[in-house]
Amino acid sequence: GQQLNQSPQSMFIQEGEDVSMNCTSSSIFNTWLWYKQDPGEGPVLLIALYKAGELTSNGRLTAQFGITRKDSFLNISASIPSDVGIYFCAGQLRSGNTGKLIFGQGTTLQVKP
Amino acid sequence: GAVVSQHPSRVICKSGTSVKIECRSLDFQATTMFWYRQFPKKSLMLMATSNEGSKATYEQGVEKDKFLINHASLTLSTLTVTSAHPEDSSFYICSARDDRRQKNYNEQFFGPGTRLTVL
Repeated sequence: GQQLNQSPQSMFIQEGEDVSMNCTSSSIFNTWLWYKQDPGEGPVLLIALYKAGELTSNGRLTAQFGITRKDSFLNISASIPSDVGIYFCAGQLRSGNTGKLIFGQGTTLQVKP
Repeated sequence: GAVVSQHPSRVICKSGTSVKIECRSLDFQATTMFWYRQFPKKSLMLMATSNEGSKATYEQGVEKDKFLINHASLTLSTLTVTSAHPEDSSFYICSARDDRRQKNYNEQFFGPGTRLTVL
C-alpha cells in the first residue's frame, strides 16, 4: 500500500532555532497536509497544500508541496517551547472529498528553553 | 472552527467485555467519519470510514465483527470494540468531515482521542 516516509524521526533543538522536516512517497498525492499532535490529543491541521510547487505559510510555519507531488517539507522558524509535539505529514490521493488520508510516521520535536 | 468530541476520554475494561466509544461533531454535520488507531509513538492507522446511514468501509486487516461502527446520524458515530483483549489497548481517534461542499479539500476535524486499556 501507499506509504509516506517522514524524517527525521525526532529532533531536540534549542529555543530560537529553525526546524525542518520532510515527507516523501512513491505515490503521487493531490493534497499534502501537515498536522501537529500534542500528547493525549488528536491531530490539529497546520497547513494544507493543494498544488504542486505551492509554498504556504502559517505564522512561523512554512510548507511546500513538491513539484513531483511526491514530497513535502515543513519548516518552523524561531522555535518556541510550545512547538513541542509530534508533527505528521499526511497525503490524500484523490482531490476533493473522496480521498482518505495516509499519515507519515511522525517527527517528535522537543525544544529546550 | 469545527469541534469534534469523543467520549469517554479514557476507559479501562476487563478482557472479554465490550466497549463503546462515541464520536460527535458538535457544530457541524458530518457526512463522513473516520476511525483511527494509534499505538505509542506511532502514526495514525485508518481503521474504517463510515458514511451516515450506510455500512462502514473497513481497511484491510481490520475485523469488522471485532470493531463495530455505527453512523446513525449526521453528528454521531460509535465504535464498539467487542470482546476486548489486551492487544486491543490503544489510542482510538475519530475524525469528521462534511462532504457536501465541493472544495479542493474538505478538512477532517479530529477528536481528542480515547485511551482504551484492556486488563
